[in-house]
Amino acid sequence: DVKVTQSSRYLVKRTGEKVFLECVQDMDHENMFWYRQDPGLGLRLIYFSYDVKMKEKGDIPEGYSVSREKKERFSLILESASTNQTSMYLCASSGQGALSGANVLTFGAGSRLTVL
Amino acid sequence: SQQGEEDPQALSIQEGENATMNCSYKTSINNLQWYRQNSGRGLVHLILIRSNEREKHSGRLRVTLDTSKKSSSLLITASRAADTASYFCATKGTALIFGKGTTLSVSS
Repeated sequence: DVKVTQSSRYLVKRTGEKVFLECVQDMDHENMFWYRQDPGLGLRLIYFSYDVKMKEKGDIPEGYSVSREKKERFSLILESASTNQTSMYLCASSGQGALSGANVLTFGAGSRLTVL
Repeated sequence: SQQGEEDPQALSIQEGENATMNCSYKTSINNLQWYRQNSGRGLVHLILIRSNEREKHSGRLRVTLDTSKKSSSLLITASRAADTASYFCATKGTALIFGKGTTLSVSS
């Protein structure tokens, strides 16, 4: 019954490593999103995509990149992980038209990344 | 670019009591959504209220929207321990923008 699957619930990486966070949805949704969540800061949008091979920067894209080669998969990449990227990462998808205001998001369970 | 802000930040009540959370936002909206997050998990959509609606119900949830005051409230009636979670309001910016949430603790 799982609709948005994040590949890893917990990851521990070292500073400077390249990190891939994978997200797959099985609802044929057009839009996919990556947020990070930190105590006291709430959810902040990193990147989003409204179509295959399309990507848009969110509020905090620095230090991250994304890839969407297939409709169902949206990957978040940390090219060189740093300790300030220790966080909970949440992937979400939605199916209505390009970023319409009525988009209801379906979230994955989250990936908690620790960078040492 | 925080759009919505929930109030209070934390709320502790007893089972059976009602819980009220408020959300204020800055710019005009087409709709406002409320989400719930259990500890360490993803968010789950609860309810969406459109800008031309003033009140909406879903089970024990009641949401109001006052566009003149740019505010919304979420009322959970007859709270249960299982309602313990964080609650977020969300409005549309470039994509959905979430507030920082209200952490609700319901003790039995």
